[in-house]
Amino acid sequence: SAVISQKPSRDICQRGTSLTIQCQVDSQVTMMFWYRQQPGQSLTLIATANQGSEATYESGFVIDKFPISRPNLTFSTLTVSNMSPEDSSIYLCSVGRQGETQYFGPGTRLLVL
Amino acid sequence: TQLLEQSPQFLSIQEGENLTVYCNSSSVVSSLQWYRQEPGEGPVLLVTVVTGGEVKKLKRLTFQFGDARKDSSLHITAAQPGDTGLYLCPPNAGNNRKLIWGLGTSLAVNP
Repeated sequence: SAVISQKPSRDICQRGTSLTIQCQVDSQVTMMFWYRQQPGQSLTLIATANQGSEATYESGFVIDKFPISRPNLTFSTLTVSNMSPEDSSIYLCSVGRQGETQYFGPGTRLLVL
Repeated sequence: TQLLEQSPQFLSIQEGENLTVYCNSSSVVSSLQWYRQEPGEGPVLLVTVVTGGEVKKLKRLTFQFGDARKDSSLHITAAQPGDTGLYLCPPNAGNNRKLIWGLGTSLAVNP
């Protein structure tokens, strides 16, 4: 299994600002995924980060709000733009295969005031 | 639409007790994974069950996959505070479809 790190581990932000979350993997992987886990809710897939092409977003998530970069096979970033308190959540990156076993990073806990 | 139900949703027990949590899919699945997510952390893969009727053991944790491949259970013997966490059981969707996540079972083991 891959070792995945995320930065920052947690942050408190003011509404209207943006935060970029980094995800680093210790080996080259084809697919990287970004999830959101809101309080009391299950994991919700935001998008699949594709190397060399635009991310694939799930219904209800748009690139303007959650721009994603994937410059190489070991790294990805997720930006939460123009934040509001409703964006307070845990953001998780994972690697693996779509619909199959995935390995998760430790998560980024975001609080928007 | 495939539905995933986990029960109970919340469970609080004393150290040393035994417990079982359940995972039920509305459709047959090819395989199923169990994760544990501790507070403030990402989900950690515990096991993948693949064969109907399969039983896998991980120390004090016993995982069972139903013969009909629609249900699974996790039994913990002599629970310890370190077992505290959210237990999730997404089935493998295959065919490039995304994982289905339920609300999980939130387990608290009190010393």
